[in-house]
Amino acid sequence: EAGVAQSPRYKIIEKRQSVAFWCNPISGHATLYWYQQILGQGPKLLIQFQNNGVVDDSQLPKDRFSAERLKGVDSTLKIQPAKLEDSAVYLCASTSTGRTGYEQYFGPGTRLTVT
Amino acid sequence: ILNVEQSPQSLHVQEGDSTNFTCSFPSSNFYALHWYRWETAKSPEALFVMTLNGDEKKKGRISATLNTKEGYSYLYIKGSQPEDSATYLCANGGSNYKLTFGKGTLLTVNP
Repeated sequence: EAGVAQSPRYKIIEKRQSVAFWCNPISGHATLYWYQQILGQGPKLLIQFQNNGVVDDSQLPKDRFSAERLKGVDSTLKIQPAKLEDSAVYLCASTSTGRTGYEQYFGPGTRLTVT
Repeated sequence: ILNVEQSPQSLHVQEGDSTNFTCSFPSSNFYALHWYRWETAKSPEALFVMTLNGDEKKKGRISATLNTKEGYSYLYIKGSQPEDSATYLCANGGSNYKLTFGKGTLLTVNP
């Protein structure tokens, strides 16, 4: 079974520039998550999708971050414009629903550096 | 406990040593407790998902216990090896499939 794919793996941009990350979840997984992991912190949920609908985006800075999941499969996360404090690893995860003791499967992440 | 807390923040052990970490979480409205291992430049890997008070799970040299009444879980590594070096994350799972992570414990195993 192929895992969660993410690209790019690394990105360096200047502040005020825009950036987009892509995620392809495990085939058949209805739920998709984007997390932000700042150095020294645990991963923080930014947005959760169920199929192509948003379940939770309460911690997404909506003035600069946006995310979409067209057709309930791939997802993109965009930052526009980026700030220095957005430097972090952005993790995508997916899970199938209806399972007791559900497990989230993570991609390798995109490490973003904003200079 | 309002958030997920992990201790210690970091740990250095010698190859062959046994070690353990602690995860504390809110004991009310408990659904599941997750342990992940995250090696540098790799995907976080699920180790255990635990749902029942008193649960004990084991995978090779790694095991975990769960106490939902007092809100803590222990992760044990027996006979640490250099390849065990990683950040170990625990997360509290909610009813809506949402995980709240602790800051992790960074383990370094010296050969």
